[in-house]
Amino acid sequence: GAGVSQSPSNKVTEKGKDVELRCDPISGHTALYWYRQSLGQGLEFLIYFQGNSAPDKSGLPSDRFSAERTGGSVSTLTIQRTQQEDSAVYLCASSLGSESFYEQYFGPGTRLTVT
Amino acid sequence: SQQGEEDPQALSIQEGENATMNCSYKTSINNLQWYRQNSGRGLVHLILIRSNEREKHSGRLRVTLDTSKKSSSLLITASRAADTASYFCATDGRGGNQFYFGTGTSLTVIP
Repeated sequence: GAGVSQSPSNKVTEKGKDVELRCDPISGHTALYWYRQSLGQGLEFLIYFQGNSAPDKSGLPSDRFSAERTGGSVSTLTIQRTQQEDSAVYLCASSLGSESFYEQYFGPGTRLTVT
Repeated sequence: SQQGEEDPQALSIQEGENATMNCSYKTSINNLQWYRQNSGRGLVHLILIRSNEREKHSGRLRVTLDTSKKSSSLLITASRAADTASYFCATDGRGGNQFYFGTGTSLTVIP
């Protein structure tokens, strides 16, 4: 079946512009995660959605970052007034449930470059 | 930080040799997972080990967990060039719903 998809695959934007990154999780997966991976680094947790519960936003680095998940499916990560330090690969993952024994299925990521 | 730390950061071996990567973490966990990431791609789940397990096998992979030392190891036996990738451990926090990924071990298997 279809895996997690993300769009766009690459995004180049000017400093100060807003960007929207999209994630389509696997159908039926109730949990959705956003991570950021800077060059040569590990994954930095950003935000987590589980069903209709309020999202866990504890990883968002600043109030310029926000995310929504509509209808319990597609999610959009929005970065306002982008800065050069926002340049990274943004990875989305989904899983069957929120418990940590569920494996996460990752999308291919969106590479964001802020010039 | 609850992040795991992988050791070594980079590892280069000859095809056929075994590769061992280690992961240390800071807080109590319920589960620990290992993931693999090929260059420029998303992560792929390899294996899960629960906190009450000490060792687990999956094909050429062997994972151990020592909760007293807060560490785990991933052993890849009879390595192949296709095993070249970065390997990450992921631990859950006390809440159990977040995953904390380490910085990864970059493995190069030379044919």
